[in-house]
Amino acid sequence: GAVVSQHPSRVICKSGTSVKIECRSLDFQATTMFWYRQFPKQSLMLMATSNEGSKATYEQGVEKDKFLINHASLTLSTLTVTSAHPEDSSFYICSASVGGGAYEQYFGPGTRLTVT
Amino acid sequence: KNQVEQSPQSLIILEGKNCTLQCNYTVSPFSNLRWYKQDTGRGPVSLTIMTFSENTKSNGRYTATLDADTKQSSLHITASQLSDSASYICVVRQTGANNLFFGTGTRLTVIP
Repeated sequence: GAVVSQHPSRVICKSGTSVKIECRSLDFQATTMFWYRQFPKQSLMLMATSNEGSKATYEQGVEKDKFLINHASLTLSTLTVTSAHPEDSSFYICSASVGGGAYEQYFGPGTRLTVT
Repeated sequence: KNQVEQSPQSLIILEGKNCTLQCNYTVSPFSNLRWYKQDTGRGPVSLTIMTFSENTKSNGRYTATLDADTKQSSLHITASQLSDSASYICVVRQTGANNLFFGTGTRLTVIP
């Protein structure tokens, strides 16, 4: 149980274009989903937290207009990187939990974004 | 400042040998500590969770310890296998918040 999937697993896009990454909880309802970014040889950095049906809460330094997060249902959240630039190239990982606070986060397999 | 530090940064061991990874934290108030295994290009997978009252917990060849007084945890891997090659990340949760504090990980390479 508690499986989280991401799609796509890898994406290459040209600078200036937008790319959407999906995160799905396959066997449970995720009230809260989290989006992380991980640069090479670094640990995960939380970008934003989203609760189903409400606006995402972004961490300091993360541009909400650049990284659009939609959590329209209890099993799906999307992250759209708008007007992508090479410095946005990174490994994006989502996690999902049945609630906030002390509930366990289940991580997805990640999406490798390369912006050329 | 809430921080999680791991050592060593990287480690190479021979297949079949044991190893111990360290995690020191300053996160307060403390809720729990998890060790995750992250294969290259994959998301983290939970190995163990330690709460304040737990000192030792095992999951197969993985044994985690926690000393809440000194704010230290270790992950011991017994009889390493090639498939153990991965990054091991220590993550500490703060009580009453969504906040997770991630260590930078230890990159373990097991060689034949």
